[in-house]
Amino acid sequence: KAGVTQTPRYLIKTRGQQVTLSCSPISGHRSVSWYQQTPGQGLQFLFEYFSETQRNKGNFPGRFSGRQFSNSRSEMNVSTLELGDSALYLCASSLVGGLNEKLFFGSGTQLSVL
Amino acid sequence: SQQGEEDPQALSIQEGENATMNCSYKTSINNLQWYRQNSGRGLVHLILIRSNEREKHSGRLRVTLDTSKKSSSLLITASRAADTASYFCAMYAEAGGTSYGKLTFGQGTILTVHP
Repeated sequence: KAGVTQTPRYLIKTRGQQVTLSCSPISGHRSVSWYQQTPGQGLQFLFEYFSETQRNKGNFPGRFSGRQFSNSRSEMNVSTLELGDSALYLCASSLVGGLNEKLFFGSGTQLSVL
Repeated sequence: SQQGEEDPQALSIQEGENATMNCSYKTSINNLQWYRQNSGRGLVHLILIRSNEREKHSGRLRVTLDTSKKSSSLLITASRAADTASYFCAMYAEAGGTSYGKLTFGQGTILTVHP
């Protein structure tokens, strides 16, 4: 069974641009969650999607948004990029329980904002 | 702000020694998980322990949970160089009367195991 796949692996953008990151969960997993990891703030939960609906949301500004498709694949969008958005963005999938059960993480997308 | 705090921030040991990492949290939780991360890659799940459990084992790993002290520890016995990684605790807490809660992570412990 293939693991969680995130694309692209690396991304370089400039301030003010927007970016879309993609996450394909493990086959059969219906919950996808997103996380931001930075040296200063550590790992922070962004949001979780289940059956195409946002089920949970962390404390991030509205510039961060996401969606989930009927095949459970998910995308995360960040608009009007700021330097502080430079981070490793991780997505994770789980069967149905979401954050309450074992999470399977992808390798992440390393975003650099210049 | 992060709910979890981990100590030590860094731990350096020799192969064959045991490594103990601690995680403390502030509010009640439903479960606590431990994850390992190798050099900026994705996290790998190690163990999940529920709030009504006190200890769990998985191979060379032993996790304890003390809800009265709001703390957990991860013990890796007979460490190997391949155990070199960052280790994170993650606390799940349900939000009020809703079914779905929040997941917060500790700042992590960087473990270095020297051959």
